[in-house]
Amino acid sequence: NAGVMQNPRHLVRRRGQEARLRCSPMKGHSHVYWYRQLPEEGLKFMVYLQKENIIDESGMPKERFSAEFPKEGPSILRIQQVVRGDSAAYFCASSTIGGTGNTEAFFGQGTRLTVV
Amino acid sequence: DQQVKQNSPSLSVQEGRISILNCDYTNSMFDYFLWYKKYPAEGPTFLISISSIKDKNEDGRFTVFLNKSAKHLSLHIVPSQPGDSAVYFCAAVSNSGYALNFGKGTSLLVTP
Repeated sequence: NAGVMQNPRHLVRRRGQEARLRCSPMKGHSHVYWYRQLPEEGLKFMVYLQKENIIDESGMPKERFSAEFPKEGPSILRIQQVVRGDSAAYFCASSTIGGTGNTEAFFGQGTRLTVV
Repeated sequence: DQQVKQNSPSLSVQEGRISILNCDYTNSMFDYFLWYKKYPAEGPTFLISISSIKDKNEDGRFTVFLNKSAKHLSLHIVPSQPGDSAVYFCAAVSNSGYALNFGKGTSLLVTP
């Protein structure tokens, strides 16, 4: 799963700042998923994107969070005005196909966001 | 609401013995189940999966059993090796969906 690149690996932000998390999918993958893992919890689905389209953002908090996957460049998960509760590990996964299951999805190593 | 539950936060097993990790789910729409392995500071790695039309799937030392009527699945690792020490996540997805629903994980420790 080293093919899915996330950066930065670690990110520290003060309350009120913005956090930008990047995900470069594996070569040839056009489907990207973002998951969040809070401490002592499992991963929770946030958003599913294809190139230039948000397919499903039902897992995204209503405010402050946004995601994009432009035609060129990595997918970006953006968190505005971060709060301490945003501290978590954010994982990106990519696949060649979407829809029915994502057994072909490969995860990146995650970005650990700490809000101080 | 937690639709996929792993009720054992941790498990310790001796090297060479069998490790059995359990998972329960509540959503009857789930029809594909996966196990992921995760080391600290790494992303989850796909291990093995099973479709709801089967009750068993085997891959080397890893076997997953599915009991649909009980909404229960288990992962068997035999023989267990120290390198198997990791957190194991159970996940489920419905045929019409793509979002994986994860359990909270079970931390497996295999001791020499």
